[in-house]
Amino acid sequence: NAGVTQTPKFRILKIGQSMTLQCTQDMNHNYMYWYRQDPGMGLKLIYYSVGAGITDKGEVPNGYNVSRSTTEDFPLRLELAAPSQTSVYFCASSYPGQGAAGELFFGEGSRLTVL
Amino acid sequence: AQTVTQSQPEMSVQEAETVTLSCTYDTSESDYYLFWYKQPPSRQMILVIRQEAYKQQNATENRFSVNFQKAAKSFSLKISDSQLGDAAMYFCAYRSALYGGATNKLIFGTGTLLAVQP
Repeated sequence: NAGVTQTPKFRILKIGQSMTLQCTQDMNHNYMYWYRQDPGMGLKLIYYSVGAGITDKGEVPNGYNVSRSTTEDFPLRLELAAPSQTSVYFCASSYPGQGAAGELFFGEGSRLTVL
Repeated sequence: AQTVTQSQPEMSVQEAETVTLSCTYDTSESDYYLFWYKQPPSRQMILVIRQEAYKQQNATENRFSVNFQKAAKSFSLKISDSQLGDAAMYFCAYRSALYGGATNKLIFGTGTLLAVQP
């Protein structure tokens, strides 16, 4: 059981470039999330999805886009990368509400540096 | 909106001793979950312990236990018999038990970096 898988684990981008962080889960979870973690800080929600075809903004969505064409996949797109997007990105998934006592399952994180 | 506050940016404990990490939260909801996640240098987010708000009994997991004070909106983590492998960043987090949308997101505190001295 792979859980939540993110790729790539590390990436260096130049200012203005674009890229997609891939996330897939094999637990048939409805809910998926993208968080970013800046140095010495907690995680902040970028985007989330409650099911295939449904996405919505979190706290810090500017400069990002997402799509959810299947239950398993939830890619995060960075358009016109900026130094402020240097961060560690985490994908997570869960059942909604009390379905599984509320736990989020996290991927291993993707460290992105924009130079 | 719910908030989670961890007022101790760093803590230190001697190996085999006990340490308590503090967390307070603010919410108007009555049904929710609280979590402690551990993040070692590997970056992986590891669930340490979970507390359901409707349960009065404090959760325990081996050397880890919580002191959940619902009226005071306090949720501290006690680590007993500290080990070198406990050294990590610890995050307190809140999640609504209501069904639907952004209400089910995990809201994190800023973390407490725990050092374990041999």
